[in-house]
Amino acid sequence: AQTVTQSQPEMSVQEAETVTLSCTYDTSESNYYLFWYKQPPSRQMILVIRQEAYKQQNATENRFSVNFQKAAKSFSLKISDSQLGDTAMYFCAFMRGGDSNYQLIWGAGTKLIIKP
Amino acid sequence: DTAVSQTPKYLVTQMGNDKSIKCEQNLGHDTMYWYKQDSKKFLKIMFSYNNKELIINETVPNRFSPKSPDKAHLNLHINSLELGDSAVYFCASNPGHYNSPLHFGNGTRLTVT
Repeated sequence: AQTVTQSQPEMSVQEAETVTLSCTYDTSESNYYLFWYKQPPSRQMILVIRQEAYKQQNATENRFSVNFQKAAKSFSLKISDSQLGDTAMYFCAFMRGGDSNYQLIWGAGTKLIIKP
Repeated sequence: DTAVSQTPKYLVTQMGNDKSIKCEQNLGHDTMYWYKQDSKKFLKIMFSYNNKELIINETVPNRFSPKSPDKAHLNLHINSLELGDSAVYFCASNPGHYNSPLHFGNGTRLTVT
C-alpha cells in the first residue's frame, strides 16, 4: 500500500525567507502523480503544484517549486520569498496512475507559519 | 460561478440527532468524494461516487450514509450523532484525469455537543 510521510509537523520562517517542506512516499508503482495542497486558516483546500512521475523536470509555479527525487521517493516543496499569505497547512498527496477512482493518499500535513 | 458548494458551512447539534450535509458541483465531473478532517487536520476519505455509483466505502460507521441522486450531487446523512463525529467534512470532485486536482467545497464544520 502507498503511504505519504510529512516529517515536519510545524515550521516557521520570517517573511521573505525561503522554506522547504519535506514529503516522502512509499510505492512500488512506476506511474503516479504527486500534489501539494495548501489549506489556509479559511480552511479552503487549494492546489499549489503537481508533478507527474514520468517527468524528470521539476514543476514550478511562480514562487513554488518542487524537488522531485524519484529514486529517493522524495517530493519536497520550496517556497521562495515567503509571504504572510503563505501561512497555511500544506499537504502532500499521491495518486496512483491507473487508479480509476483517482484516489489521493494524503500526508499528515505541515503547518507553516510566516512571521512578519 | 463553477464550483463545488456544500451546505451548511457550520452545523452545531446535540448527540443523538440526525443531520445531513449537502454537496453540489456544477463542473460536470463524474467523481465525487466525502472527506473527514479531524482536529489534527488529518484528511481521511470516507466515500467516493462515480456517476452515482458507490466506488469507495472506507471503514466508516454505518451511521454515515451517502446519497447521490444524480452525478452533480452527493449528500451525506449522519444518524445518531456522536461526540467523535465532530470534525470538518469536505466534499470534492474530480474531472476524471490523473493529473487533475480535486476541486473542494469549503467544508462543513460539524460540532456535536
